[in-house]
Amino acid sequence: KQEVTQIPAALSVPEGENLVLNCSFTDSAIYNLQWFRQDPGKGLTSLLLIQSSQREQTSGRLNASLDKSSGRSTLYIAASQPGDSATYLCAVASGGTYKYIFGTGTRLKVLA
Amino acid sequence: ETGVTQTPRHLVMGMTNKKSLKCEQHLGHNAMYWYKQSAKKPLELMFVYSLEERVENNSVPSRFSPECPNSSHLFLHLHTLQPEDSALYLCASSSQGVGTEAFFGQGTRLTVV
Repeated sequence: KQEVTQIPAALSVPEGENLVLNCSFTDSAIYNLQWFRQDPGKGLTSLLLIQSSQREQTSGRLNASLDKSSGRSTLYIAASQPGDSATYLCAVASGGTYKYIFGTGTRLKVLA
Repeated sequence: ETGVTQTPRHLVMGMTNKKSLKCEQHLGHNAMYWYKQSAKKPLELMFVYSLEERVENNSVPSRFSPECPNSSHLFLHLHTLQPEDSALYLCASSSQGVGTEAFFGQGTRLTVV
């Protein structure tokens, strides 16, 4: 059974810092991995999608890497801003075409 | 705006009420999902529809009844809910097949009193 873990559960950093969020999964047989952002009480916004054959994806200040063999992905946020404050979720598509398994998220607060 | 719209955004209902949540997407996707998000728990997949057929039902109680009349619309009919069913209900859609990106709506915050 696929399990997804995100560490740390919460993170507070001063503005301008570069930071790394971690996601690990127990079964390396995944189709893809997706990073999402969720603001309080809101839905999920897709940030980056990494296919199983890819090693990384970049979008602006965000860079996500994938190491399938070790069951890990990292989301790197450069030059963090207060507007980056949100919960970041990773999800793996695994165990069937339509199964997206989510981690519990990392709650990020960037202090001005 | 992600292209997936959920209504209502907030819903308060009594345990004897019947209500429905609605989800609509105009992204041309043919798979739609219901997820439940409770405090401090990972998102739980409830139902998946592909080409209007239910392909996943993750042991969800029968007081939740999904309906997918066409590839653009998805409903979740609710009846005789319990207070522990209070949560954020999220709808998502994707293209069919592996390796595709999922898009989520803003969710319906449900409170059962």
